[in-house]
Amino acid sequence: ILNVEQSPQSLHVQEGDSTNFTCSFPSSNFYALHWYRWETAKSPEALFVMTLNGDEKKKGRISATLNTKEGYSYLYIKGSQPEDSATYLCACGRGGADGLTFGKGTHLIIQP
Amino acid sequence: DGGITQSPKYLFRKEGQNVTLSCEQNLNHDAMYWYRQDPGQGLRLIYYSQIVNDFQKGDIAEGYSVSREKKESFPLTVTSAQKNPTAFYLCASSTTRTRSRELFFGEGSRLTVL
Repeated sequence: ILNVEQSPQSLHVQEGDSTNFTCSFPSSNFYALHWYRWETAKSPEALFVMTLNGDEKKKGRISATLNTKEGYSYLYIKGSQPEDSATYLCACGRGGADGLTFGKGTHLIIQP
Repeated sequence: DGGITQSPKYLFRKEGQNVTLSCEQNLNHDAMYWYRQDPGQGLRLIYYSQIVNDFQKGDIAEGYSVSREKKESFPLTVTSAQKNPTAFYLCASSTTRTRSRELFFGEGSRLTVL
């Protein structure tokens, strides 16, 4: 079983501030790294899927980077807004369509 | 609209009873998955299926069973052998044709054993 760690577990951020959090994973046999956003009472939704070392992806104010050699990924949110409040899940692909191994998530609360 | 439908949303079961959770998708995805969420834990993989009539155990398959008779459907049965069945269950699907196989999730089913 892969060990995917996310930190911090929870985070309170003032509206307008920028923030980031971390996902670490085993660097050996890397296949893919996923980030999902899970808002209360909704389904988790994919933000990014990254497969190559050095990948950087951006969607609006949210971006992510990937370092497969050292086994970590960062998710950045610029200028946090209340709608960014959610749990952010990181997951590693196991190869093929064998499912993902998820971290415990980072629970982000944006305070007005 | 394309998506994944899970039912029921809430389910109560007495100890010793089997219960089946439904998962249907109209995204034409080959792969389907069942995850379980418990407080303070990440999503854990129960079973997955990459193709009709085939499925594999995930990390916590004991006490669960699945079937995949149709591409669109992947029901999960929580049997009486599952020691701690109270949990939130998520179904997901994905394509198998690219390496970046993002998961599409249903809204989940919350099972409570009384």
